[in-house]
Amino acid sequence: DSGVTQTPKHLITATGQRVTLRCSPRSGDLSVYWYQQSLDQGLQFLIQYYNGEERAKGNILERFSAQQFPDLHSELNLSSLELGDSALYFCASRRQGETGELFFGEGSRLTVL
Amino acid sequence: SQQGEEDPQALSIQEGENATMNCSYKTSINNLQWYRQNSGRGLVHLILTRSNEREKHSGRLRVTLDTSKKSSSLLITASRAADTASYFCATGFQGAQKLVFGQGTRLTINP
Repeated sequence: DSGVTQTPKHLITATGQRVTLRCSPRSGDLSVYWYQQSLDQGLQFLIQYYNGEERAKGNILERFSAQQFPDLHSELNLSSLELGDSALYFCASRRQGETGELFFGEGSRLTVL
Repeated sequence: SQQGEEDPQALSIQEGENATMNCSYKTSINNLQWYRQNSGRGLVHLILTRSNEREKHSGRLRVTLDTSKKSSSLLITASRAADTASYFCATGFQGAQKLVFGQGTRLTINP
């Protein structure tokens, strides 16, 4: 158990809909990372927050947004969903700084029909 | 792209044999990490090598890093069926907090 909790584990929805994925980092970790894993794109970095502030942005679509709350949990919002958004979405946390390992949650598997 | 590339994409060996996976990257790094992922599960950190380290060991794992060639290798010795998983290298960069992952190597250990 990594200590990172993601909900929901599985989600099936229709095109055009909006979903919210939730992540609780390890106790004491200030940084939260979101990654998308699909079969054809590998593991893609989406966005990182540190202590409530956005720190780095990757290949995140404009239809996607995220935030980190004062209690350090984070949410990833995906809207106007398309078939191609079907993927595993991972949250990972790290205590602070640029180095050190990431601790991954078990992921949220999103299926868009 | 800064993304690392793993080689081979898939590897199948017999239990007890050694498995070697390679990772190449394109720009200067701060550190290189290896992760393991069992099918559909979260990634688990295996080992971290800083840019000034050439080799690192952890149990049956051995990582080498050659920054002049921008490459790393992960060796798993005396493989076990339980080592069956995908293995990813991830690179960290000075001044950047994100880790960039390669596409992974799918390792299958046949009993």
